[in-house]
Amino acid sequence: DGGITQSPKYLFRKEGQNVTLSCEQNLNHDAMYWYRQDPGQGLRLIYYSQIVNDFQKGDIAEGYSVSREKKESFPLTVTSAQKNPTAFYLCATRLGTVNSPLHFGNGTRLTVT
Amino acid sequence: AQKVTQAQTEISVVEKEDVTLDCVYETRDTTYYLFWYKQPPSGELVFLIRRNSFDEQNEISGRYSWNFQKSTSSFNFTITASQVVDSAVYFCALSFPSGTYKYIFGTGTRLKVLA
Repeated sequence: DGGITQSPKYLFRKEGQNVTLSCEQNLNHDAMYWYRQDPGQGLRLIYYSQIVNDFQKGDIAEGYSVSREKKESFPLTVTSAQKNPTAFYLCATRLGTVNSPLHFGNGTRLTVT
Repeated sequence: AQKVTQAQTEISVVEKEDVTLDCVYETRDTTYYLFWYKQPPSGELVFLIRRNSFDEQNEISGRYSWNFQKSTSSFNFTITASQVVDSAVYFCALSFPSGTYKYIFGTGTRLKVLA
């Protein structure tokens, strides 16, 4: 089946630890995105990548890092520098031009205590 | 400024009622794209519709219909004869053909359809 796989679905970490969220896609889409969703705030863009080995910061990139070594994979690392990391994280992909819709994974709910 | 406003935070209706979700956008660009997504409790956002700024035709898909009005910068979504399965958070989004390839999302409207 073609799709976007985010793992794990739930993730728990202690404060001060880095954690990496996985996003894998087999849709052959060029662009990949990471969004953060908090209650009442909609989706906020963390990072996006239009091609392999290239990525750009979104609106809330501080405390996060990404890599895009393969077309299929766009992992997101939440570092200890992120002040409020507890949130729902969504990975998305897009085929072709910007008028194409985003396709989303099922998300990872990260809880940091 | 480029912005999407969904003023309705939460709406509750009884099954079979019609409901309209509002979306108002701001942009000075003449070419842009508008989207609606549905986020069920499972968390994944599901694409519902795309409309480009040059196409003001309203669209109907089953119980869903969309009313795009450039004069009021609105792209409203109506569900006719709502069902419990329509319960979800609905997001309106805006994108552009040039620039940073960003999508601007509204804050979402939570729709609760009661049996």
